[in-house]
Parts: sequence; C-alpha cells; structure tokens
Amino acid sequence: KAGVTQTPRYLIKTRGQQVTLSCSPISGHRSVSWYQQTPGQGLQFLFEYFSETQRNKGNFPGRFSGRQFSNSRSEMNVSTLELGDSALYLCASSFGTGTSYEQYFGPGTRLTVT
Amino acid sequence: GENVEQHPSTLSVQEGDSAVIKCTYSDSASNYFPWYKQELGKRPQLIIDIRSNVGEKKDQRIAVTLNKTAKHFSLHITETQPEDSAVYFCAASNASGTYKYIFGTGTRLKVLA
Repeated sequence: KAGVTQTPRYLIKTRGQQVTLSCSPISGHRSVSWYQQTPGQGLQFLFEYFSETQRNKGNFPGRFSGRQFSNSRSEMNVSTLELGDSALYLCASSFGTGTSYEQYFGPGTRLTVT
Repeated sequence: GENVEQHPSTLSVQEGDSAVIKCTYSDSASNYFPWYKQELGKRPQLIIDIRSNVGEKKDQRIAVTLNKTAKHFSLHITETQPEDSAVYFCAASNASGTYKYIFGTGTRLKVLA
C-alpha cells in the first residue's frame, strides 16, 4: 500500500505571495491533518479534514486554509506569505473513524519564504 | 488549552544503556498516545502507541507506560544502538472525539558508540 505523498517537496516563495500544498493520503484513509514543523516550535497542528469537512483547527491566522476533496486528497493554502511561514509542512493521514487511531506522515513540503 | 510537555529536550546515552523520555498532557479527554521517531531529513515514523485503557505496552526494545491519574506517559528504549539516534516526539489525542493530536516539542536522542 502506498504511503502518504506530498507535493511539491520544496518551494521558494517571496513575501506577499500565496502558496498551495497538496497531500494524498494512504488509500482508505479519510482523515488528513496538517502540521507546521519549525526548529523552535516542534509540530504545530493546523487543521484536520474528514470527508471534505474541517473537523478541527489549531491556532493559526486565517491566512492558513485548507480543503479536502471527495477522493480524500487535501490541499492547504497560505496567502500573503510572511518570512515566519518558512517551515516544513507535514500532512498525516488516518482512518479518522472507528477504533484505528494511527496517523501516518507524508515526507513534507519544505517552504522557504524570502 | 491543550498542551503536551516533553522532557528532556536533549539526551545523550552510551550505546547499550537505556533512555527514558517523559511527557505530560493537560487534556483529560486524551485517550491515545503515540510516539514518533524522526531521523534527520525524514518524516516522523510511528514507533509505538498506547491507549488510555492500557498501562504499559512493549515492542522489543521499546516500551511505553501511561499513568492516567498523573497524566504522564513515558518512552523507554533499552539496549540503545547508534541507529536509535533521532528526534522523538510524543503526542496526545482525543482520537475518538476531536481527532486533534497535540505534540510535544521533541527530544533529540544521541547514542554514543
């Protein structure tokens, strides 16, 4: 079974621009969560989607948004990029229901804002 | 709000010794506690997890213990090897409710040969 995939793997953007990142979950997984990873802050929860609905969100500004498609693929968008948005963005997938709680990560997208 | 504290932030041990990493969570509704290992430049990998109805779980050299009353859980690695060197993250989740995973800030483990 293929693992979680993310595209692109690397991105360089300029302040003020916007960016869209993509995540394809493990087949059969309907939940996708997004995290921002920085050296000082660890893994910060952005939001979680299940069956095209956002079920939960973390404490990030409205510039960070996401969506999920009917095939469970998810995208996150960051508008009006700031230097502080430079980070590794990880997505993770899980079944999101029932009693199987394991969450598996993708390789991440390294975003650099200049 | 929900919070997970993880200690220590760095840990150096001699090869063959044991390593212990501790986490404390704040949300009493948390019922699922996974541990992830992240090697440099790689994705976090799930290495072991425990649910709130279990006090201890072991998988070869790795074990996790949970004290629900104190809201503490710990990762124990015995007979450490150089390949155990990585950053380890704990997390707490209300996996059947909010589906929100809160992560600790990580422990950098160095196993000295």
